[in-house]
Amino acid sequence: KAGVTQTPRYLIKTRGQQVTLSCSPISGHRSVSWYQQTPGQGLQFLFEYFSETQRNKGNFPGRFSGRQFSNSRSEMNVSTLELGDSALYLCASSLAEGSSYNEQFFGPGTRLTVL
Amino acid sequence: AQSVSQHNHHVILSEAASLELGCNYSYGGTVNLFWYVQYPGQHLQLLLKYFSGDPLVKGIKGFEAEFIKSKFSFNLRKPSVQWSDTAEYFCAVIPSWGKLQFGAGTQVVVTP
Repeated sequence: KAGVTQTPRYLIKTRGQQVTLSCSPISGHRSVSWYQQTPGQGLQFLFEYFSETQRNKGNFPGRFSGRQFSNSRSEMNVSTLELGDSALYLCASSLAEGSSYNEQFFGPGTRLTVL
Repeated sequence: AQSVSQHNHHVILSEAASLELGCNYSYGGTVNLFWYVQYPGQHLQLLLKYFSGDPLVKGIKGFEAEFIKSKFSFNLRKPSVQWSDTAEYFCAVIPSWGKLQFGAGTQVVVTP
């Protein structure tokens, strides 16, 4: 079974631009969560989607948004990029809603660099 | 603020040494606990998890963790490490009402 895939793997943008990252969950998984990983802040939860609805949201500004499609694929968008948005963005999928009782399977991440 | 604390940011040890990584959390009530590992160049993957029952949990690759509720701790252990255990280890906690929170991670380097 194919794992979680994320595209693109690497991205370089400049301040003020916007970016869209994509995540395809494991086949059959309906929940997708996004995380930001930085050396200073570690792994921080961005949001979780299940059945095309945002179920949970972390403490990030409104510039960070996402959505989920009917095939469970998810996209994350960051508008008006700032230098501090440079990070590894990880997507994780799980079978059902909520990360409590479902193991999350992580993708390789998208490395975003903002210049 | 509620948080997950990992005691060490970097650990260097020799092969065959024992490893213990500390993890403490500040959530009250019921929690589910995880240890994830990220090997160089690889995805985050689950080492072990605790939901309920026996507080001593065994995971993959010879790792185990003990949940001590009174100490709000979930420490990871391995009696004898190998060079291939070089990785970054993350403790993660989710309260029943909340979302998954990760610790800052511990970089473990095992020297031959």
